[in-house]
Amino acid sequence: EIVLTQSPATLSLSPGERATLSCRASESISSYLVWYQQKPGQAPRLLIYDTSNRAAGIPARFSGSGSGTDYTLTISSLEPEDSAVYYCQQRNNWSFGPGTKVDIK
Amino acid sequence: VLLQESGPGLVRPSETLSLNCTVSGGSLRTYYWSWVRQSPEKGLEWIGSIYSDGSTIYSPSLKSRVTLSIDSSKNHFSLRLNSVTASDTAVYFCARNAGSGSYYFDSWGRGSRVTVSS
Repeated sequence: EIVLTQSPATLSLSPGERATLSCRASESISSYLVWYQQKPGQAPRLLIYDTSNRAAGIPARFSGSGSGTDYTLTISSLEPEDSAVYYCQQRNNWSFGPGTKVDIK
Repeated sequence: VLLQESGPGLVRPSETLSLNCTVSGGSLRTYYWSWVRQSPEKGLEWIGSIYSDGSTIYSPSLKSRVTLSIDSSKNHFSLRLNSVTASDTAVYFCARNAGSGSYYFDSWGRGSRVTVSS
C-alpha cells in the first residue's frame, strides 16, 4: 500500500509570497498525483491533476511538478483567498495525504 | 454538475449507514461516481466508486461492509455501510470521477455529517 506524506504540516506566509508544498509517496506513483484545496466547511476542490495539469478555472499561480516519489505544489504569489488545507492524492490505492495547512498572515 | 448528499445524520452502532447522492445538471452516464469520507482521525478516505453500468470498485479496507448502487433513471447513486462503529463517524462526500477511468474527483457534494452513536 502506497502512503503519502505531506510537508510542512503548516505554512504561514504573507500575501505575495511563494508557497511550496511537498507530497512524498512511499514508492513511485508515476506522476499519477493530484492536488486539492479545501476551505473550512467546504468540499475539496480539484486544483492539479496528473502532477502538472491545472483543472478548469484554476488560476495560473497554481502549478505542480514532480516525478517518481516526490511532488510539489507551488503557489507563485499568495492571495488571501488561498488560505486553506491542501491535499495530494495518488492513483495506486486512491489514498490521500494528511494535508498542509496554508495560513495567510 | 451539482451533487447533493442526503440521509440520516445519526446512526446507531452495529446498524447500517445509508446515504443518497442526487446529481443534477448532468447525466450519470459514462462516469464513475464515488464516495469519500473525512474525519479528524483518518483524514480523507476514498470509500468506493460505481460506474453508470453498475460496476463497482471498493476500498480494500471497507470492501466487506460497503455496497454502492446506482439508479440512472433517477439520477442518483447510493452508499450503504453496514456494522458501523464510532470510527465511521465522518463527513461523507459524494463526488464525480473526472473521467471514466479517473482516480480523482472533479465535482463534489457539500458533504453530509454522520455520527455513529447510541
